[in-house]
Amino acid sequence: SAVISQKPSRDICQRGTSLTIQCQVDSQVTMMFWYRQQPGQSLTLIATANQGSEATYESGFVIDKFPISRPNLTFSTLTVSNMSPEDSSIYLCSVSDRLSYEQYFGPGTRLTVT
Amino acid sequence: AQTVTQSQPEMSVQEAETVTLSCTYDTSENNYYLFWYKQPPSRQMILVIRQEAYKQQNATENRFSVNFQKAAKSFSLKISDSQLGDTAMYFCAFMKPTGTASKLTFGTGTRLQVTL
Repeated sequence: SAVISQKPSRDICQRGTSLTIQCQVDSQVTMMFWYRQQPGQSLTLIATANQGSEATYESGFVIDKFPISRPNLTFSTLTVSNMSPEDSSIYLCSVSDRLSYEQYFGPGTRLTVT
Repeated sequence: AQTVTQSQPEMSVQEAETVTLSCTYDTSENNYYLFWYKQPPSRQMILVIRQEAYKQQNATENRFSVNFQKAAKSFSLKISDSQLGDTAMYFCAFMKPTGTASKLTFGTGTRLQVTL
């Protein structure tokens, strides 16, 4: 299984500002996924990031609010823009094993917006 | 669109006992994967077990096993000899494999408390 790290592990931000979350994988992967977990809730997919192309966003999520970069096969960033308290969540990145389809997750970034 | 339902928000089990967590799903697909993930208070998502829909044999990983009933669209997780470290949120998840974006659809989760 892949080893995934995320930075920062947590942050407290003021409304109206932006935060960029980094996700680093110890092996090359084609697809990376970004999920949001609101307090006490399940995980919801924000977007799928493929190296070398635009990210694919799920319904209810837009690029202007959650821009994603995928500069190479081991790294991705998710930016949460113009934050409001409703953006307070845990943000997780994951990667998928293309043979077994198992997905492995990073430790998550806990974001609090005040 | 696929949906995943976990009807038990919370469950409790005594140490060394066996507990079963329920999961049902709705799909028109024939080829898919099902997963159980564990999320302890550390919030790290940990893959517990995987089941391929085309396999009739139920998956087993040490103390964890599933009861996969494809016709009934049911996928329950049995934890045997429960341990305090099993205390966590458990999420059932569905995946339709595609070549480019095999995303997971999660259920709402079951909070499991293992007690002494």
